[in-house]
This record gives sequence, C-alpha cells and structure tokens, in this order.
Amino acid sequence: AQTVTQSQPEMSVQEAETVTLSCTYDTSESNYYLFWYKQPPSRQMILVIRQEAYKQQNATENRFSVNFQKAAKSFSLKISDSQLGDTAMYFCAFKGAGGTSYGKLTFGQGTILTVHP
Amino acid sequence: EPEVTQTPSHQVTQMGQEVILRCVPISNHLYFYWYRQILGQKVEFLVSFYNNEISEKSEIFDDQFSVERPDGSNFTLKIRSTKLEDSAMYFCASSEEISQAFFGQGTRLTVV
Repeated sequence: AQTVTQSQPEMSVQEAETVTLSCTYDTSESNYYLFWYKQPPSRQMILVIRQEAYKQQNATENRFSVNFQKAAKSFSLKISDSQLGDTAMYFCAFKGAGGTSYGKLTFGQGTILTVHP
Repeated sequence: EPEVTQTPSHQVTQMGQEVILRCVPISNHLYFYWYRQILGQKVEFLVSFYNNEISEKSEIFDDQFSVERPDGSNFTLKIRSTKLEDSAMYFCASSEEISQAFFGQGTRLTVV
C-alpha cells in the first residue's frame, strides 16, 4: 500500500516571499503520478500541479513548481511570490498507474499555509 | 471549462436516515470516485467506479454505502442508515484517464 507523508502541519510566509512545502511517499510501483491540491476555506479541492514519475523534468505552473526526487521519494512544492490568495490547506497526493490501478488517490495529512501581508 | 458538479452543497440528516449524494461528472470521463474528508483530517478514498461497476473500494466503504450511475450522466453515493460519524465533506471526482483527477466542490453532510 502507498503512503504519503507531509511532515509540516503548518507553514507561514510573508507576501511576495517563497515557501516550500514538503512531501514524501512510499510505494513499490515504478510508474505513478504525484499531485498537489489546494483546499481554501471553501473546502473545494483545486489541482495545483501534477508530475508524472517517468518524467525527469520537474513540473511548473506559473508561480508553482515542484522538486521531484524519485530515488528519495520526495515531492516538494515551491510557491514563489506568495500571494494572500495562496492561504489554504495543501495536500500532496499519489496515484498509481500500474495495470490493476483504477486511479485512486492517496493523500497526505495536509499542510496549512498562511500568507501574511 | 467543464467541471464536476455536486448537489446538494450541504445536507443535514437525522441519524438512521438514508441519504443520496449526487454528482455529475465531466461528460467524456470514464473513471469516477468518491472521497470523504472528516473535518480537520485528510481526504480518504471511498470507492472507484469504472465500466459500470465498482473497481476498487476502501475499508470505509462497507455495506451501508452504495454507488450507482443510473442514467449515464449522474453518479450517486447512497448511505443507507447514516451514523454521526458519517458527518464529513464528500467529494466526487472524475477523470478521462488514470493520470487525471478533477474534483467537485463537495457536499457537506451533517448527521444529527
């Protein structure tokens, strides 16, 4: 079974600064996908960024980028130029891509990020 | 932009009552999921549905839960006899392929 661990329950950052959220995972699968989701106070789950494990290049989406270290099973999220609207709970998630996988997501415990003005 | 739609946004029900949570996945998607998030906790997988049948379910998804895709567009989660501990946010998700996952806005279920 896969596990996803987010070791930082809470983080805070000043507006316009950069912050990195950590995530580690454990799996025996060789092919999989990793995601970061943002959950604002409305509690909707918003996809921030996705990484395919077979791609060495780290994914980027505007101010969001990841540092994917496959050997270390680490998948951190970097938010540059933090904005007040980035304040939310952030979840790291794993999805296997093996032959018997139907794509269920396994989530970490979440990190509450607060951006201060 | 297509989106997953869930209704109602908030449902209050009495303990022991049956409740049906409804979802309209994105139209060309093939994989459907239900997840649950108890307040302050992480999101937990309940069930996946593919090719008109359950493809995987978690230990949480016991006999009081069932899912249906009755008319080719809706995807429902039924809780037969609700318990206080079923109070949570329930998320529907759908995807066209394994690599994706699009969530609805969630239904907050409160069991009193």
